[in-house]
Amino acid sequence: SQTIHQWPATLVQPVGSPLSLECTVEGTSNPNLYWYRQAAGRGLQLLFYSVGIGQISSEVPQNLSASRPQDRQFILSSKKLLLSDSGFYLCAWSIGGNTEAFFGQGTRLTVV
Amino acid sequence: EDKVVQSPLSLVVHEGDTVTLNCSYEVTNFRSLLWYKQEKKAPTFLFMLTSSGIEKKSGRLSSILDKKELFSILNITATQTGDSAVYLCAPGGGADGLTFGKGTHLIIQP
Repeated sequence: SQTIHQWPATLVQPVGSPLSLECTVEGTSNPNLYWYRQAAGRGLQLLFYSVGIGQISSEVPQNLSASRPQDRQFILSSKKLLLSDSGFYLCAWSIGGNTEAFFGQGTRLTVV
Repeated sequence: EDKVVQSPLSLVVHEGDTVTLNCSYEVTNFRSLLWYKQEKKAPTFLFMLTSSGIEKKSGRLSSILDKKELFSILNITATQTGDSAVYLCAPGGGADGLTFGKGTHLIIQP
């Protein structure tokens, strides 16, 4: 069966520090991969999606970047965090263009 | 710009009540509409709706889509405290991801 791993679960980082969040999927090949952010009182906002290795599409301009170095690995990064980067970050995967997406357990990031 | 409006934003009812959650949408790349339940962390999948007028059911939960009027409803009958959660509506379904509403925060009181 397919599983998705996301870590760390919580993270407190100072302003200006770098960020690296990792997500891996098991039990499937060539998944579509997504990074979402959920700010307090707001819905899930799509940040990045990837349909294959090295293919990244960005939905919103921001202080973050994403990479997909392997088929089932998706990384969210920042060189210098801002206070506004605080939020709940969720990785998700799906197969094909019209199927449900499955979510990881999320990382709660607090930038101080 | 894609738009998804869920109502009500929050709802408090007693155990045993029936609730109806609403979702209206305007998206450019519509293939399906998905409902998720989010308790503390990861949203969990409930339903995917692709055709108008066909109700999907899972136990006490059911959902239906109206593609002409661009809305969907999620019904929960005989609510239990375990139904307390944020319910998210997400039209889309293409490889370019889902557009989520802000969710309905449902609280079931014993």
